[in-house]
Amino acid sequence: DTAVSQTPKYLVTQMGNDKSIKCEQNLGHDTMYWYKQDSKKFLKIMFSYNNKELIINETVPNRFSPKSPDKAHLNLHINSLELGDSAVYFCASSQAWRGSTDTQYFGPGTRLTVL
Amino acid sequence: SQQGEEDPQALSIQEGENATMNCSYKTSINNLQWYRQNSGRGLVHLILIRSNEREKHSGRLRVTLDTSKKSSSLLITASRAADTASYFCATDEVIGNQFYFGTGTSLTVIP
Repeated sequence: DTAVSQTPKYLVTQMGNDKSIKCEQNLGHDTMYWYKQDSKKFLKIMFSYNNKELIINETVPNRFSPKSPDKAHLNLHINSLELGDSAVYFCASSQAWRGSTDTQYFGPGTRLTVL
Repeated sequence: SQQGEEDPQALSIQEGENATMNCSYKTSINNLQWYRQNSGRGLVHLILIRSNEREKHSGRLRVTLDTSKKSSSLLITASRAADTASYFCATDEVIGNQFYFGTGTSLTVIP
């Protein structure tokens, strides 16, 4: 009964490949997020969706494309992977989009390694 | 960038001591939150303090906010080995409604 789950937990792939990371939340939340955490632990928001609509789209290469088939899922697809994409990617959700008022619940992370 | 900066970057203390970490940010905010991240895990929310609040408590945690100095501190009293983790502050912007995490403080509590 994990609240926010991500798959896979680890992803090792070659440069140039296309890969997807899946995220699901069973909290009934309206808003979901993707974050990237680099090797220095800097955590940067990439995307946010509220009720399947994109509300935050930070300066992220367009090789990254989020997809929200329903409000419980927010998947991240990455095309033409580069070495610099290696990081831990976290999915999170919150009850509603109210900026920082709502607590965000984080998934366990997906460690992506691009060789 | 609005991203908060935390100080110190790393902190090592003995079990039972208090741990204080600070967060500074750059623009006006609505709220500030503190999160904890155990090694290899996702972040867990600890406490939220609103811009019109100066201090908040939750168990062994005490958070202060000084909006004039654009800074916040997190105090963990009577630390335990299980408190070993990274601690992040998270702020938003009044204008733009974006959400930013700080650079984190890595806390090690030695049993």
